[in-house]
Amino acid sequence: DAGVTQSPTHLIKTRGQHVTLRCSPISGHKSVSWYQQVLGQGPQFIFQYYEKEERGRGNFPDRFSARQFPNYSSELNVNALLLGDSALYLCASRRGNTEAFFGQGTRLTVV
Amino acid sequence: AQSVTQLDSHVSVSEGTPVLLRCNYSSSYSPSLFWYVQHPNKGLQLLLKYTSAATLVKGINGFEAEFKKSETSFHLTKPSAHMSDAAEYFCVVSERKAAGNKLTFGGGTRVLVKP
Repeated sequence: DAGVTQSPTHLIKTRGQHVTLRCSPISGHKSVSWYQQVLGQGPQFIFQYYEKEERGRGNFPDRFSARQFPNYSSELNVNALLLGDSALYLCASRRGNTEAFFGQGTRLTVV
Repeated sequence: AQSVTQLDSHVSVSEGTPVLLRCNYSSSYSPSLFWYVQHPNKGLQLLLKYTSAATLVKGINGFEAEFKKSETSFHLTKPSAHMSDAAEYFCVVSERKAAGNKLTFGGGTRVLVKP
């Protein structure tokens, strides 16, 4: 079985631009979560989706949004990018309350 | 609200000596606890998990952790460090709630293994 896949792996954007990050969960996993990991820190929770509904949201501005599709894949969108949005964005999929499986992440650099 | 504190931001050990990474948690519910490892420029890999079964949990690569409710701790140990253990380690708590079960990460402990 394929693990959690994220695309793209690396991305460079300019301040003020918009970005879309994509995630495909492990087959059979209906829960997808997004995390932001700034260099030198632990990942911070952004969103959780389950069965296409938002189930949780972290302390992030409205510039961050996400959605989950019928096939359980997910997109994270960030508008009006700031330098501080530069980070590793991690997607995780879970079956229920078991352990989360993480993708390799998308490294976003905002210049 | 749940929170995790990793008591050491950096740990340095010699190859072949024991490793101890300390973690304390706070949770309003019966938590699930995890340890993840992150090698440079890699994603997160699960080392082990506690989900209210045995309090001593064995994981991959010789790691184990003990859940102590009275101390709200979940320390990670390994009897003999290997060079490949050099990485960042995260203690993670998850609460089962109807509204979701987000993971809360500690700040991480970077492990350096000296030859």
